[in-house]
Order: sequence, then structure tokens, then C-alpha cells
Amino acid sequence: TQLLEQSPQFLSIQEGENLTVYCNSSSVFSSLQWYRQEPGEGPVLLVTVVTGGEVKKLKRLTFQFGDARKDSSLHITAAQPGDTGLYLCAGAETGTASKLTFGTGTRLQVTL
Amino acid sequence: GAGVSQSPRYKVAKRGQDVALRCDPISGHVSLFWYQQALGQGPEFLTYFQNEAQLDKSGLPSDRFFAERPEGSVSTLKIQRTQQEDSAVYLCASSLFPGVGETQYFGPGTRLLVL
Repeated sequence: TQLLEQSPQFLSIQEGENLTVYCNSSSVFSSLQWYRQEPGEGPVLLVTVVTGGEVKKLKRLTFQFGDARKDSSLHITAAQPGDTGLYLCAGAETGTASKLTFGTGTRLQVTL
Repeated sequence: GAGVSQSPRYKVAKRGQDVALRCDPISGHVSLFWYQQALGQGPEFLTYFQNEAQLDKSGLPSDRFFAERPEGSVSTLKIQRTQQEDSAVYLCASSLFPGVGETQYFGPGTRLLVL
């Protein structure tokens, strides 16, 4: 059972547009990570957020962890074709070591 | 440097066959995880090792699934009497230390198709 819901499931946009992906849960997570996965490959970590309200920026990507540590968002500015892929959020629940619960995924396609 | 490797990359099995999937983690990594990823979904946790000890196997879907890591490095996920619903990508990940927030490095996965 997936405890993390992502929206939207699919997103097709043109190069230069901005977008936001949401990750929501009813559970509290001690940390939350965002991954990008390309076809035929494993997920690759983009960022880890651990503090409620935390905002991290990675070039054109901005990640935010909700104050209650139940939700997160990923904002991409001026999307490029190289941003195409499956974006996954993943939470580590308190007391579960580093076991990750992954979200349902958002498939992003950026076209020229 | 070498990342996490998995073999085979693709496996086709007839229903009822046994399969064994191998994971070579990054050298020296203490923690090793197995995940199952169905088509179009996010990965789902199967099991977790800290060195050779299997500390969490709560995600294994049935007693047909068995994992081992006898020397604390290479791990094998075995599926007995495969069923069509076992078709998925099986991902292995390792991290240097156990603990929340540790980066997990994923292998490319083994795509299993059960006919």
C-alpha cells in the first residue's frame, strides 16, 4: 500500500515552462527524499529534506518540506528536455531505520 | 567508481519456475535493500539487511520470496514457483551506514517477466 500520493501522475509541458509536483501523506516522516528515474535505470537521489518547513534549491529545482513533515513539493523553473523522467518522492518513517516508502510517481515529459 | 550492479538485467521465466536475482552493492556499504517496482508505479520495499542480518522482511509478499546476504556483501533474492503477478522490476539499493536520511544508491534493476 502506497502511503505517499503524488500529483499530477503525468505532466507534458513545453521547454521553458514552470511546473510543480506535489507529494502528500497522512503519515509524518522523519525525512523525505526526491528521486528521478529514467527508463531502464534505478532511481537517482536529487535531494533529502529533514526539517519541517525546509526549502532546498538545486539549480532550477526547488524542494519544500511541509511544516508538519507530511507533505512536500518539487518546483522546476524553465523546464528543459533533460528534465524528462519519473519523479518519485520517498519518505522515511520514524523508527523504521532507513526503509523508504515511495510515492506513486509523476511522469514528466518536456518537449521542445 | 563502481556503483550497485544487478544481474541478470532481464529474466523471462515460465510460471512455476524458480528464479534468483543477484545484487552487488557498493563495496563497504553496510545496508542493503530490495524493492519491487510494478509498471508505472513507485518502488515498494521488500526487505532490508544490515551486514548479513536480515532486519526487516515485512515487505516480502509471500513465503515464495526469500532473500539472503550470507557474507554481508552480495545479496540474492529468490522467488520460488513464480506467478504472473511477480512480473516487475526488482531494484537493489545500498547505503554506507544504516539510519534515516542516509543516501541509498540504486542499481539498474532486474526486469522479471513471468509468462
